[in-house]
Order: sequence, then structure tokens, then C-alpha cells
Amino acid sequence: DAKTTQPPSMDCAEGRAANLPCNHSTISGNEYVYWYRQIHSQGPQYIIHGLKNNETNEMASLIITEDRKSSTLILPHATLRDTAVYYCIVRAPGGTYKYIFGTGTRLKVLA
Amino acid sequence: DAGVIQSPRHEVTEMGQEVTLRCKPISGHNSLFWYRQTMMRGLELLIYFNNNVPIDDSGMPEDRFSAKMPNASFSTLKIQPSEPRDSAVYFCASSFAGQYSNQPQHFGDGTRLSIL
Repeated sequence: DAKTTQPPSMDCAEGRAANLPCNHSTISGNEYVYWYRQIHSQGPQYIIHGLKNNETNEMASLIITEDRKSSTLILPHATLRDTAVYYCIVRAPGGTYKYIFGTGTRLKVLA
Repeated sequence: DAGVIQSPRHEVTEMGQEVTLRCKPISGHNSLFWYRQTMMRGLELLIYFNNNVPIDDSGMPEDRFSAKMPNASFSTLKIQPSEPRDSAVYFCASSFAGQYSNQPQHFGDGTRLSIL
């Protein structure tokens, strides 16, 4: 079973920030939080990951709460091309650990 | 940089035929994953390899499915005999996964398989 819980769907106005929440209340101390998105039926696209500090890259920002039980992916200025299903995954480091995908959040960016 | 390359992109075949899906991981990556995606079950991990060795094949549906990784740059997923319920999109992903590595997986564009 997936270790994360996400809302099934969200809407966001184009140009506004999209804030996608994820609950991972049973996360272990060494597990990282990863975010992916899947546009239509393309392969999942890696966005960002982090352990406990907030992270930012050219695509998004990741905010992890101090107790690490939840996180938020922020797309600062959503565009229509950001419409996709967004997956939050927790996984321990190392070669023998795997992702378990949940059902994700379907984000629709509205013009 | 070349990403994960999968072939074919689309495959349509008749029930009972053998199907072989191919994957070339990103150069330098040592872990490879095969996933299946359907509307009903979402994204499911079928099998994954680390340093060409299968680590966990518990997601492989049944004996009709087999996967191999003969070298670091190539893997196959074979279905024999194929059945209509095997129709799905099959994704391959790769990553660099050392003992303490947190590097993400990178996915290919998938193979859309239809069994008639």
C-alpha cells in the first residue's frame, strides 16, 4: 500500500501558485519525499525530492513540515501545461527500495 | 542527454502471441524498473533489478511474464502467451542506486500494448 495520501483532484487558475498537499504521517527517518507528475499517458516525470529541508528547483518548490508528516509541492506560476496527475512518494535510499505509487492528485489548471 | 528508451511505442497483437518489450536505461544507472499502468490498478511495479540482478519480482502477475537484464544497458519484459487482460501501458524506469543513494527514477515514454 502507498504510504502517502493526496486529495484526488484540485483546480488552479492559470498564473497562480498551485499548492499540492501530501500526507505521509508514517514516514521513517531515512525516507525521502519524491514528487512526480504524469501528463496524459506519458511516462511519469520527476519534479523534485527532499528529506527534511525545503527544496527548490526550476520546476517547483517542496516544503516539508518540521515533523516530516506532510509536505506541499508548490508550482509558483501554474500554466495550462501543468495540468497533470501529481504523485507524492516516500522511499528510503538505497538500491533495494522501491516506489509505491498511490492514486495521486489530478491538477487542472484553468484559463 | 538520452533518457530511458523503450521500444516499441505501440504494440497490437492477437491473444496467444508472444510479446517482447525492450528498454535501454540511462547510461550509468544501475537500477531498472518495469511498471504497468491500467485505469483500474494505476501504476504497479512489476519487477526491478539492481546491478542486473532481479531484486523483487513479487509484482509479476504470473508465470506468463518474465524479465531479463543481460547487461547494464538492456532489459526485456516478455509475455508468453499474451491475453487481452495484459493490455496496458508498460513503463521502464532507471536510476542510480548506491547503498545510500536517493537519486530519483527516470521513466521512459512507455509501450502501449493492446492484446486483441
